[in-house]
Amino acid sequence: GQNIDQPTEMTATEGAIVQINCTYQTSGFNGLFWYQQHAGEAPTFLSYNVLDGLEEKGRFSSFLSRSKGYSYLLLKELQMKDSASYLCAVMDSNYQLIWGAGTKLIIKP
Amino acid sequence: IAGITQAPTSQILAAGRRMTLRCTQDMRHNAMYWYRQDLGLGLRLIHYSNTAGTTGKGEVPDGYSVSRANTDDFPLTLASAVPSQTSVYFCASSDGPPSGANVLTFGAGSRLTVL
Repeated sequence: GQNIDQPTEMTATEGAIVQINCTYQTSGFNGLFWYQQHAGEAPTFLSYNVLDGLEEKGRFSSFLSRSKGYSYLLLKELQMKDSASYLCAVMDSNYQLIWGAGTKLIIKP
Repeated sequence: IAGITQAPTSQILAAGRRMTLRCTQDMRHNAMYWYRQDLGLGLRLIHYSNTAGTTGKGEVPDGYSVSRANTDDFPLTLASAVPSQTSVYFCASSDGPPSGANVLTFGAGSRLTVL
C-alpha cells in the first residue's frame, strides 16, 4: 500500500530552527508537496519538490531525496505564527495525491 | 477576493437525512476536488472533477455523490447521512488537470456532524 509518515507533533522555541521529516512509500512519484494548515483553517501551499535537493523560499526550505523516499521541511527563525500543522503529500504515478496525517508544530516563547 | 467559497461552514445533521455541501470557485480552475479530513488521518479524496461535465471517484466515494454542471460549482451530496460521515470537508481546485506541479487551493471547510 501507499504510505506517508510524519511525526504527529513537534515543539520548538521562537527564534529557533525546526526540521519536520516526511518519509513515503508510493506507487511512483510525480512530486512532493508541503502545505501549512492553521487550526480551523484551510491548508495553504508551501513548497513543491520533484528533483533531489533543497528548495529555499524565505524562512522555509524543503529537501527531497527520491532514492531514500524522504523529505524534510526546514523552518528558520521561528515565529509564533508558524504554530500550525504541516502536511506532506506525494503525487503518485496516477497523479493522485497521497497525504500524510500532518505534523502539529507548537512554538513556545 | 478570488478563491473558493464553501457552505455551510458547519452543520449538525440527523442520521438518514440528505445533505448537500456547496462549493463555488471564481478562479476559472478546471479541476475541483472534495476531501474529508479526520483526526489522525491524512486528507482523503472523495470525488474529483478534471473539467466541467466530468467526475471521478476518489479513495472514499461511498455514500457521496457529486456533479459538475459548470466550471464554478462542485456540490457534494450525502444521500443518507451516517455518523461515520462526521468530518471536516474541504473543497479544492487547481488550474489544470492533475500534473506534477498541481497546486491546490482549498476552501475554508465545512464541519459536518451526523448524529
